[in-house]
Amino acid sequence: EVQLVESGGGLVQPGGSLRLSCAGSGFTFGLYAMHWVRQAPGKGLEYVSAISSNGDNTYYANSVKGRFTVSRDNSKDTLYLQIGSLSADDMGVYYCARVDWRACSTTSCSSDLWGQGTLVTVSS
Amino acid sequence: DIQMTQSPSSLSASVGDRVTITCRASQGISNYLAWLQQKPGKAPQSLIYAASSLHSGVPSRFSGSGSGTDFTLTISSLQPEDFATYYCQQYLSYPQTFGQGTKVEIK
Repeated sequence: EVQLVESGGGLVQPGGSLRLSCAGSGFTFGLYAMHWVRQAPGKGLEYVSAISSNGDNTYYANSVKGRFTVSRDNSKDTLYLQIGSLSADDMGVYYCARVDWRACSTTSCSSDLWGQGTLVTVSS
Repeated sequence: DIQMTQSPSSLSASVGDRVTITCRASQGISNYLAWLQQKPGKAPQSLIYAASSLHSGVPSRFSGSGSGTDFTLTISSLQPEDFATYYCQQYLSYPQTFGQGTKVEIK
């Protein structure tokens, strides 16, 4: 089955950090660029980060730049998001999503496959 | 950043109704627009890309149209499983941005 499965979320204190993971299966993970998107409780979707298929190129939203780091290990079919200096504004469900190569502009691509999400709670 | 504005924010409709949701971009995005469906407590699912192309497995009652700044998502005959929140998303440039969502509820 083609799927993405996130893990690593949990309760963290303000200022703390976590490493989120996204494991791909059922497809050749290393051929796909990947996105991270988050959703605060009861709110809409917010784009967070992207990484190219080989990991050489990354993008971060201004709201997380300098605090979050995206990486991947294609030998393990796994995407990571290291999130740090966390505040209540970072709370929510974090989704990974696979790029859809049929749906690209010159700079960016849409997604065709989403994981189920992992919840990050920031509280003392 | 490109701002995406959806209307309405919510609507009530009955099974069998035709439903139309609009999305407006703050600048031209050609056809680099996707539509997503999200059910409560679930991950988003991609419905449409390139403004009008359906992802595999998406029922043909869903359709998209538009180019430039104005786009629409139409459900030709609303089914019980279609009650959800719908988001538009532009992918012309980073950061990709989403509309605020349109919640489709049962009348």
